Amino acid sequence: AQRVTQPEKLLSVFKGAPVELKCNYSYSGSPELFWYVQYSRQRLQLLLRHISRESIKGFTADLNKGETSFHLKKPFAQEEDSAMYYCALRASTGFQKLVFGTGTRLLVSP
Amino acid sequence: DTGVSQDPRHKITKRGQNVTFRCDPISEHNRLYWYRQTLGQGPEFLTYFQNEAQLEKSRLLSDRFSAERPKGSFSTLEIQRTEQGDSAMYLCASSPGRGLSSYNEQFFGPGTRLTVL
Repeated sequence: AQRVTQPEKLLSVFKGAPVELKCNYSYSGSPELFWYVQYSRQRLQLLLRHISRESIKGFTADLNKGETSFHLKKPFAQEEDSAMYYCALRASTGFQKLVFGTGTRLLVSP
Repeated sequence: DTGVSQDPRHKITKRGQNVTFRCDPISEHNRLYWYRQTLGQGPEFLTYFQNEAQLEKSRLLSDRFSAERPKGSFSTLEIQRTEQGDSAMYLCASSPGRGLSSYNEQFFGPGTRLTVL
């Protein structure tokens, strides 16, 4: 079975502080991992995916298969980063569904 | 707006009534997904269409739930004999369905919030 765990419901930091949103997964195969973000009053949107190895809005995430983690990091948080962040997994065996974690609300204070 | 659209945005109904939601995917997207999201949880997969064919169904989709995509364009999700536990946000997403599956980003709609009294 596939499972995604986000241990923190809320992460509160000050502007300019580093941010790390944790994500651990459980899957016996080789997964695809994603981070989705939902800003206030907006729809869910893709932030980044592990296979692209890209940095979006200063965020990066590295897939660590040994620790089965895909933590989201940003060195200097901005107020506009305040949002709900969801980690998601897709099995690589042809299934299309995404399995989401419960989400972490990031609050960046001035 | 050329994104995924859903109608209605809000629905309040009484227990036992039937409700139907509509999703219009991004034009030319072959794949369409339904998810359900309850308070404090992430979206949970319900079902997936490739064109008009329903290829995956979650066990969450009880026999009171039915989804269709008759012409491979818009989709409807019907809930019969609604229960209070059906209260949730129902999300629709679509993806191109071509090219490498790894780049098959799912684009989400705004959702339909269902409240069952």
